[in-house]
Amino acid sequence: AQTVTQSQPEMSVQEAETVTLSCTYDTSESDYYLFWYKQPPSRQMILVIRQEAYKQQNATENRFSVNFQKAAKSFSLKISDSQLGDAAMYFCAYSPRQYSGGGADGLTFGKGTHLIIQP
Amino acid sequence: EADIYQTPRYLVIGTGKKITLECSQTMGHDKMYWYQQDPGMELHLIHYSYGVNSTEKGDLSSESTVSRIRTEHFPLTLESARPSHTSQYLCASKPQGANTEAFFGQGTRLTVV
Repeated sequence: AQTVTQSQPEMSVQEAETVTLSCTYDTSESDYYLFWYKQPPSRQMILVIRQEAYKQQNATENRFSVNFQKAAKSFSLKISDSQLGDAAMYFCAYSPRQYSGGGADGLTFGKGTHLIIQP
Repeated sequence: EADIYQTPRYLVIGTGKKITLECSQTMGHDKMYWYQQDPGMELHLIHYSYGVNSTEKGDLSSESTVSRIRTEHFPLTLESARPSHTSQYLCASKPQGANTEAFFGQGTRLTVV
């Protein structure tokens, strides 16, 4: 079974600074997706960034980028120029590329990291 | 934002009441999911569906039930609510095919008193 581990329950960063959120995962699959989702307080969970395991290039979306280390099974999220609107719970999630087994193919989530932005 | 909607957003009800949490999506997605989010924010899959008339229980045992009579609609029902059912419930969907990201509704925060 796949597992996703986020070892930082809470992180705090000054506005305009850079912060990195950590995520490690365990899987026997070779082809899969990794995601970072953001859940602001009382608001919808939205996708921040997606990485396909077969792509060696790290994904980037504006101020958000990942450091994907496939051999180490590590997938960290870097937020540059932090803004007050970045304050939220951040969830790392895993999904196999093609699901062929029994049971659910839903995302496997980490426990989340609460990001605080200090003005 | 994604076209997936949950109602109500907030609900406070008394013990023993029957409730249905609604989830609808307009994206034509075959796959739909219900997650329960505990106070520590961890997400647990409680139900899923791969299409009309298909429903399965997820990883976390739940006393709730679901139905999938129409592609766009995936309601969750509690026949007799208890305080232990107090939680945030998130609905999600994704298309058939390669296992890409899921789209989430805004959630229903349920409080049973």
